[in-house]
Order: sequence, then C-alpha cells, then structure tokens
Amino acid sequence: GAGVSQTPSNKVTEKGKYVELRCDPISGHTALYWYRQSLGQGPEFLIYFQGTGAADDSGLPNDRFFAVRPEGSVSTLKIQRTERGDSAVYLCASSLGGGDTDTQYFGPGTRLTVL
Amino acid sequence: GNSVTQMEGPVTLSEEAFLTINCTYTATGYPSLFWYVQYPGEGLQLLLKATKADDKGSNKGFEATYRKETTSFHLEKGSVQVSDSAVYFCALQGGSEKLVFGKGTKLTVNP
Repeated sequence: GAGVSQTPSNKVTEKGKYVELRCDPISGHTALYWYRQSLGQGPEFLIYFQGTGAADDSGLPNDRFFAVRPEGSVSTLKIQRTERGDSAVYLCASSLGGGDTDTQYFGPGTRLTVL
Repeated sequence: GNSVTQMEGPVTLSEEAFLTINCTYTATGYPSLFWYVQYPGEGLQLLLKATKADDKGSNKGFEATYRKETTSFHLEKGSVQVSDSAVYFCALQGGSEKLVFGKGTKLTVNP
C-alpha cells in the first residue's frame, strides 16, 4: 500500500518568503506528526495531530510556524518570513491511532533551503 | 525532559564484523524504545522496538534489549553486510506521542 508522501521533495526559497509543505499520511491513520531534521542531527518533534486537531504543538519553534489538518487527512506545514536557520529536512509521519506503542511511519521528507 | 544519547560515528567496519552501537536514555516512567534506520536516499524506517524492560527487539539480524537498570538500548548485529550501510537513530517515546531521537550514527560497511 501507499506510504506517507510529502511534496515538494525539494524547496528553495529566499529569506523572508512564505512556504507551504504538504504531507499525505497513510490512509486510515488518524495521527500525524511533523519533525525537522537539521544536518547531522536527529529529527526533532514539531507538532502532532490527532484527527483535525493539534494535540501537541510544543515543538513549534516560534509563531512563524503553523500547521493545519482541516479534514483529518492531508496536513500542511506553513512557514512565514523564512529565515536561513529554517533550512532543514521536514519530515512527516503518521500512525494508526497515536499512543505510545503505535509505530510511526515516516515520509521521505521535504528538503527546505532558505537562501 | 526525555533525551537520548547515542554513540557518535562514523563507524566503519568490514563485512561480517560484529556491530554495536550504544544508546542510553533519560526519561521519566517507562518509555518505549526504538531503532530507526535511514538508508542512503531513503526515508526513516523502523528497524526494531521494545516497549518494556527486558524486552528484546529484533529484525534483519539486528537486536537490542531494553535494559532499565542501565537505561540502555544498544543495537547489535553479529555479522554486518555492505547493505547495512546507513544512518541509525535511537529514539524513545514516553509520556507523550512524540519521538525523541538521538543524533544518529553513520555506519559504513566495506566489502
């Protein structure tokens, strides 16, 4: 079956611009996660959705970052006024129901470069 | 807060060598522990997991045992192959749904 997909695979933008990154979770998965992976580091948690609602957004670094999941399936991560420090690979994951024994399945990521 | 410390790489081995990648954690309560692998050009994949103390996770010849007394979850494989070359991440999940990852260890296996 189809895994988690993310678009675009690569995004190059200029400092100060707005970007949107999209995630399509595995069909039927109610839980969706966003992580950010900087070069040479492990992924860092950004936000977790259960259905349409953000159950935990404690990892969002500041108010320039926002994510939505309006119909409980596809999610969009939005970054306003991008900065060079936002350059990273943004990973999306989904799991069947959430919970601390559910396996999270990761997408291939979107590589964001802010010039 | 929860954290994971794993052995820094890179690690270079010859084919059929024994592999150990150390991982220790700090967490309140009883977290679940994971090893994820990232092959070149591919996304993160779950390699194995253990959800309670003394559990052993295993997959593709890799093993890791959840040791509560030493707060460790070391990854081992008896005989590595060139195809095992990848970056390995130790992670935990405890008290919330989010995964907390280590920095990753790059493994290169030479023929």
